[in-house]
Amino acid sequence: DAKTTQPPSMDCAEGRAANLPCNHSTISGNEYVYWYRQIHSQGPQYIIHGLKNNETNEMASLIITEDRKSSTLILPHATLRDTAVYYCIVRTNAGNMLTFGGGTRLMVKP
Amino acid sequence: DAGVTQSPTHLIKTRGQHVTLRCSPISGHKSVSWYQQVLGQGPQFIFQYYEKEERGRGNFPDRFSARQFPNYSSELNVNALLLGDSALYLCASSLAFFGSYSTDTQYFGPGTRLTVL
Repeated sequence: DAKTTQPPSMDCAEGRAANLPCNHSTISGNEYVYWYRQIHSQGPQYIIHGLKNNETNEMASLIITEDRKSSTLILPHATLRDTAVYYCIVRTNAGNMLTFGGGTRLMVKP
Repeated sequence: DAGVTQSPTHLIKTRGQHVTLRCSPISGHKSVSWYQQVLGQGPQFIFQYYEKEERGRGNFPDRFSARQFPNYSSELNVNALLLGDSALYLCASSLAFFGSYSTDTQYFGPGTRLTVL
């Protein structure tokens, strides 16, 4: 599975959009981009995943660049409860595991 | 519907002891995977079980073993505990064998915090 690079930490003001970037420049055509988040001492929570089209659900939007070498997770109106570590993961459609990196620690501030 | 459940929540053991952790997947899910998360790091894959068979194993010693039962619940066993086994142990379930099709997703439980003294 391709490696991902994320900034170690980011801040966001409450009520504003949080845009979390992820670089996956070695991604292959059959690899999906997954996003999970982990609130302190809890299990990771699935957010969204996609292949090449932009995706949106009730939690977030996933924007994947046309060359698929990077993506951005967007939380449209961040709240204090969105403070967590966000993991960007690349997985092949036959991959039987999730390989977590260091993630981005997002701090939402009042 | 209940999510993935794990027991116990916390556990304290001493070096050399054995531990058994338990996981119940989301209803209807047939695959269970186990991950270890050491403090300050992301989770690391240990095993995947599907239809009671091991279908993948990470880079963990033979002291780690698991099994899956006919009701799809699972146990993780760790023998001869070391201090370095102190971690949050996470169970994740998926509808089918995770890797069989692209839209499948793993859903994680709250974890079991193991402390080895």
